[in-house]
Amino acid sequence: GESVGLHLPTLSVQEGDNSIINCAYSNSASDYFIWYKQESGKGPQFIIDIRSNMDKRQGQRVTVLLNKTVKHLSLQIAATQPGDSAVYFCAEIAGGATNKLIFGTGTLLAVQP
Amino acid sequence: GAGVSQSPSNKVTEKGKDVELRCDPISGHTALYWYRQSLGQGLEFLIYFQGNSAPDKSGLPSDRFSAERTGGSVSTLTIQRTQQEDSAVYLCASSTRNGGETQYFGPGTRLLVL
Repeated sequence: GESVGLHLPTLSVQEGDNSIINCAYSNSASDYFIWYKQESGKGPQFIIDIRSNMDKRQGQRVTVLLNKTVKHLSLQIAATQPGDSAVYFCAEIAGGATNKLIFGTGTLLAVQP
Repeated sequence: GAGVSQSPSNKVTEKGKDVELRCDPISGHTALYWYRQSLGQGLEFLIYFQGNSAPDKSGLPSDRFSAERTGGSVSTLTIQRTQQEDSAVYLCASSTRNGGETQYFGPGTRLLVL
């Protein structure tokens, strides 16, 4: 399989525990942030987003927290399941004409049964 | 409904050959992006199309890379005279419009240059 996780930070959790994945972003002008999940051999899948006028947003089993003061994002996954095992990327959009995504390097989440 | 599709899913080529990668965005999405993901790395922006506007090519790594989008829908990324360092996963994404809207990704094309 792909060895995408070889150089990635890894978070190992037990099934049923809560997971927290952290991300530092670079541009204080960024106004939109997205968390993506990427399973081996697949493209990134949208999980949750948040705009800069918010500091918390909740979805189903996931919560994103934004701290603009220290330019930090976190993704919290409640009751982690084996199917949550994947690489998680945060991405920021700094605005401008293109709104291209700027991705972090990713975190490998490994859920132990 | 149908998501973003890409073809081929895998491509093996010899150094020096040209390759074409195809992306079919979600119907109705006017914005289309190409990204590259090298082994163990995050995604790197390559090029962006929005409607009939001139594309943003600022992420293309060299003049061997080019892309077209015909009829505001399907896009083709072409790499000429491929090099081994071009080996990567090439991902396409589309969104409803420019303005911080969520980008939805295809499964990618895995390119291996021997």
